[in-house]
Amino acid sequence: NAGVTQTPKFRVLKTGQSMTLLCAQDMNHEYMYWYRQDPGMGLRLIHYSVGEGTTAKGEVPDGYNVSRLKKQNFLLGLESAAPSQTSVYFCASSYTGDSYNEQFFGPGTRLTVL
Amino acid sequence: AQTVTQSQPEMSVQEAETVTLSCTYDTSESDYYLFWYKQPPSRQMILVIRQEAYKQQNATENRFSVNFQKAAKSFSLKISDSQLGDAAMYFCAYRSANFGNEKLTFGTGTRLTIIP
Repeated sequence: NAGVTQTPKFRVLKTGQSMTLLCAQDMNHEYMYWYRQDPGMGLRLIHYSVGEGTTAKGEVPDGYNVSRLKKQNFLLGLESAAPSQTSVYFCASSYTGDSYNEQFFGPGTRLTVL
Repeated sequence: AQTVTQSQPEMSVQEAETVTLSCTYDTSESDYYLFWYKQPPSRQMILVIRQEAYKQQNATENRFSVNFQKAAKSFSLKISDSQLGDAAMYFCAYRSANFGNEKLTFGTGTRLTIIP
């Protein structure tokens, strides 16, 4: 099993450009999450999904959109990138119905917006 | 909303010694889960240990153990016999037990340095 994978690992954008980050998991998890990690602020939840075809806003959703068309994939989109979106982005997934509901994380994507 | 506070931005410990990382949280819920995650320089988030709030017994995983004080809303991590590979950022995290609210709330992290 590859676990949780993220594509790409690194990306540099200019202000106003758009891009999509792809998260894939092969563990048949129902729940998937997108976080951003900024220095001194820990991880903050952007959006999450509790199942195929569903999405919900997290703590910091502005400027991002997501889609969960397939159970194994969770896409994070930036329509018009801003320097404030420079960050490291983590995807995670977890089961539902399990009392621990451990989240498994991908390796992260470092995004720089110039 | 729940908050998680890690008041020690940096800690250091001599190899083979014991170190304790602090974490406090604020919640009005009675049932929840607490976690410690490790993030080495590779950036990969690795679950170290977890605790269910309804369990009074402190969780232990090999050299890692927690001191869970529910009334004080405190959840510290003790690392015994520290090894060079323990050097990393450590994040404390909270998760509600309520269905539909399974997202994690993280603290700001503690950077642990191991001194050879």
